[in-house]
Amino acid sequence: DTGVSQNPRHKITKRGQNVTFRCDPISEHNRLYWYRQTLGQGPEFLTYFQNEAQLEKSRLLSDRFSAERPKGSFSTLEIQRTEQGDSAMYLCASSLSRGIANEKLFFGSGTQLSVL
Amino acid sequence: KQEVTQIPAALSVPEGENLVLNCSFTDSAIYNLQWFRQDPGKGLTSLLLIQSSQREQTSGRLNASLDKSSGRSTLYIAASQPGDSATYLCAVTKDSSYKLIFGSGTRLLVRP
Repeated sequence: DTGVSQNPRHKITKRGQNVTFRCDPISEHNRLYWYRQTLGQGPEFLTYFQNEAQLEKSRLLSDRFSAERPKGSFSTLEIQRTEQGDSAMYLCASSLSRGIANEKLFFGSGTQLSVL
Repeated sequence: KQEVTQIPAALSVPEGENLVLNCSFTDSAIYNLQWFRQDPGKGLTSLLLIQSSQREQTSGRLNASLDKSSGRSTLYIAASQPGDSATYLCAVTKDSSYKLIFGSGTRLLVRP
């Protein structure tokens, strides 16, 4: 169990550029989640996958955001035409299906995005 | 709409003190409540998960209780240590969605 891995750890970009983040979940975990966290706030849900299927998306996930999980393994989160308001920590988590009441999430260390 | 509130927002205590962190939620129709720890600039570490049918969970010096009917949970930390300094977040899972709804956290500083 190597934990949830996220890359890069930090990303600085100029407004209008596209960025892509990667998340590698714990190998046997079938669910994968993306959250966004701004300073002083708790994480906010963006989307989640069960295997390769994207089952829920938050209204926070505008048309500029897209997430994929090909073959139910790693996942990518892409932000197109970045805006300064996109600056945040993007957190990935994974879990193994045990029923909703007992679903324990394991988080990665996050990708800190700064849009200049 | 489910809202999760944590009080206090920040807490500073001397080493060795027992302390209680509070979490409240507006909709009692939850599946579970989880407590997480977050160190500065890092991800979240799960501490305790309480299913809606349970009243409390314990792990080492940590004890979390859940009163679903009143919409409250507390995290009790016994004999606090400087290494306990971090932000503590609570989160609930509700409806049939697997998404967690988080509070804003309590920043804890344990002074040597």
